[in-house]
Amino acid sequence: GNSVTQMEGPVTLSEEAFLTINCTYTATGYPSLFWYVQYPGEGLQLLLKATKADDKGSNKGFEATYRKETTSFHLEKGSVQVSDSAVYFCALKAGSGAGSYQLTFGKGTKLSVIP
Amino acid sequence: EPEVTQTPSHQVTQMGQEVILRCVPISNHLYFYWYRQILGQKVEFLVSFYNNEISEKSEIFDDQFSVERPDGSNFTLKIRSTKLEDSAMYFCASSSGTSPPDTQYFGPGTRLTVL
Repeated sequence: GNSVTQMEGPVTLSEEAFLTINCTYTATGYPSLFWYVQYPGEGLQLLLKATKADDKGSNKGFEATYRKETTSFHLEKGSVQVSDSAVYFCALKAGSGAGSYQLTFGKGTKLSVIP
Repeated sequence: EPEVTQTPSHQVTQMGQEVILRCVPISNHLYFYWYRQILGQKVEFLVSFYNNEISEKSEIFDDQFSVERPDGSNFTLKIRSTKLEDSAMYFCASSSGTSPPDTQYFGPGTRLTVL
């Protein structure tokens, strides 16, 4: 079946530090990959996505590249801010088409950025 | 920007009682989903719903669970006889179904506590 593994948290960084949150997946076929973010007290928000190998998703300074050869979709940001403190979830959706496909999530990684 | 809303934000109930969690998906979306997250664990898919019927469900979604779209705007999850292990955050999501990869947009969640 499909599965997502992401690095265990919590991760604590100083402001302006470089962030990497690792995510690897197991899936049949060619899944679409997502990063969702959950700020304190809020729901899951889509951060970025990629639908095929070598695609790079980017948003708000965050980036992730769909690496089929390593089955990975690591999240990176060059300089984190206090406002980036949140829980980050890696997820996959089997297939790249539209329609009803369930998302498979990783456990989430809590990021705390200190001034 | 359109968003998915959920009510209530927190529900406390006694074991064995019925609960109904409510969601208002984004208005032009066609696919609706429920996920849950037990504290400290992964976000897990429960069910997807399209064209007034269940299109996919997980093994978690047993006979105690049901979903309904009672009118043109609401989407509900009913748990008939709650158990202690149903305590979790329940997320509703919706997607348009028209443009790959058909991103799912999530609500803020309902925290269900079963005593």
